[in-house]
Amino acid sequence: KNEVEQSPQNLTAQEGEFITINCSYSVGISALHWLQQHPGGGIVSLFMLSSGKKKHGRLIATINIQEKHSSLHITASHPRDSAVYICAVHNTDKLIFGTGTRLQVFP
Amino acid sequence: EPEVTQTPSHQVTQMGQEVILRCVPISNHLYFYWYRQILGQKVEFLVSFYNNEISEKSEIFDDQFSVERPDGSNFTLKIRSTKLEDSAMYFCASTVSRGRIDTQYFGPGTRLTVL
Repeated sequence: KNEVEQSPQNLTAQEGEFITINCSYSVGISALHWLQQHPGGGIVSLFMLSSGKKKHGRLIATINIQEKHSSLHITASHPRDSAVYICAVHNTDKLIFGTGTRLQVFP
Repeated sequence: EPEVTQTPSHQVTQMGQEVILRCVPISNHLYFYWYRQILGQKVEFLVSFYNNEISEKSEIFDDQFSVERPDGSNFTLKIRSTKLEDSAMYFCASTVSRGRIDTQYFGPGTRLTVL
């Protein structure tokens, strides 16, 4: 069983739609990261959370430590948001990654 | 904005050959990481490095792998005798010196192809 599970695996949306990607984990963590991976392969850090909620532009990330669950929301989605979104948890001195959610936003 | 750089961007090698992948972390960062991503699979942790020694390593990081910070800027991953299954994208990452729990900055990756 994966220690970090994401859902859905694939997501398609029309431009302007509200997007939610979920992440559940089964290990102890000190922080949770949301990352974005573009088709070229590069990985960019979007958020690091240890509690509550963070917002950056149209992106919102929340975490519930008791339920071991986090969500990434994208408001007013745009084709340029198309990418793989990865949840990763900080466990001891390493990141454990989820399998990613592939998002495609169509105009 | 400072960034993590990696060279080469693509390395092709024959099975059994040694390869060295190079990374230049952001200059004031103190924690360094190597990850790999086999095509179509999730990113996997290989090793973390702090204060010139390995902090943690995964089961993947066996005796064929080693890491080094030979000078004040480069951070290298060496694979002594490459196998076909070492073909993957290798990412280096670094974090600032505010303790271990911090945003990780990833390099663009080196695609390793073992023939």
